Amino acid sequence: GENVEQHPSTLSVQEGDSAVIKCTYSDSASNYFPWYKQELGKGPQLIIDIRSNVGEKKDQRIAVTLNKTAKHFSLHITETQPEDSAVYFCACGGGADGLTFGKGTHLIIQP
Amino acid sequence: DADVTQTPRNRITKTGKRIMLECSQTKGHDRMYWYRQDPGLGLQLIYYSFDVKDINKGEISDGYSVSRQAQAKFSLSLESAIPNQTALYFCATSDSNTGELFFGEGSRLTVL
Repeated sequence: GENVEQHPSTLSVQEGDSAVIKCTYSDSASNYFPWYKQELGKGPQLIIDIRSNVGEKKDQRIAVTLNKTAKHFSLHITETQPEDSAVYFCACGGGADGLTFGKGTHLIIQP
Repeated sequence: DADVTQTPRNRITKTGKRIMLECSQTKGHDRMYWYRQDPGLGLQLIYYSFDVKDINKGEISDGYSVSRQAQAKFSLSLESAIPNQTALYFCATSDSNTGELFFGEGSRLTVL
């Protein structure tokens, strides 16, 4: 089955700086790569996703890049703000049995 | 009201007890899932269902069972709870066109 590695497990950045979270995956058949944000006491929510026919996608301060050859994809958050503090999960899939998630990154925005 | 509703939100029980976690959704999605979340381990898939007559095991189904009572309802049961099933459980639905998952707010289960 699919195996997803996510790094780092914890990331602390100064408010206003950029944050980057990286994931690698094993199954070359995967074609859908979403990122979820989980705030304390809540369920994860989709923040951005990318499909295998695209190399980069941007939505305001967040962007995702995908390198299918190397089987890795990354989440980029620019101009970080306190409300960006959360746990972020990468995931991949596209087959019949849903998504496989990374272990999560706890992003801490220092004031 | 939440699109995906889980009950109970918190439950403390004893080893050997039977527990049911319930999930209902108003999104009209055919696909429903149960995930387990443990600190540092991400989200692990327990069971999933693509319609009322379709039930599939996920990566960690041992010790769990599910029932899809209707398109909108998907329940998770622990027949005889054990302490290592202490975790946060999430129900989710997915849009079959986009693949996006929509999660409930979670059910925190503690088995003593």
